[in-house]
Amino acid sequence: EVQLVESGGGLVQPGGSLRLSCAASGITFSSYEMNWVRQAPGKGLEWVSLISTSGGVTYYTDSGKGRFTISRDNAKNSVFLEMNSLRVEDTAVYYCACAGGDGPSPFDHWGQGTLVTVSS
Amino acid sequence: SYVLTQPPSVSVAPGKTASIPCGGNNIGDTVVHWYQQRPGLAPVLVIYYDSDRPSGIPERFSGSSSENTATLTISGVEAGDEADYYCQVWDRSSDHWVFGGGTKLTVL
Repeated sequence: EVQLVESGGGLVQPGGSLRLSCAASGITFSSYEMNWVRQAPGKGLEWVSLISTSGGVTYYTDSGKGRFTISRDNAKNSVFLEMNSLRVEDTAVYYCACAGGDGPSPFDHWGQGTLVTVSS
Repeated sequence: SYVLTQPPSVSVAPGKTASIPCGGNNIGDTVVHWYQQRPGLAPVLVIYYDSDRPSGIPERFSGSSSENTATLTISGVEAGDEADYYCQVWDRSSDHWVFGGGTKLTVL
């Protein structure tokens, strides 16, 4: 059974930092691109970041560029999202999702999400 | 940046067919994925590469794409299909994944 388990969310003040983690099991982790997707309260899905299988290629949504850093540890089957200079509008449930296969592959599996609240 | 447009809501009676459109410029030239999200739960992939179904997804779910509109079709709608549905594409010009705004399917 595939499992993606996020952790690291919580309450942080504007301008603060958080590091999210996602631990994967049930998949050959090194064969999957990994993504972070967020969902603000009552809103739709917003893609945040992608990291390639080797970790050599990363992409970010415009609002996260320069503030967020995605990384992965294939030996530990984990992906991370370092978030700095957090803003109130970053408040959301953050999901990790894996994508296998060639080309623009779909997000086969999702974690349950971790809530990030940015508030003073 | 690329924009995907979905109607905020679609309503359908049980047993009928629901069609959820996803509009995008020349969306027929790229591949589209669809996700179902029930309240309080994570999204689930229901259609990928325009029209393929993952294992475990009922045959009632189908997809198509042409020119400027992709469509998720759910035939014989059941109460359990009530959820939010999102389309998704990869925007090659910006190297970004893009989601539609989501459509809330209500089963009357």
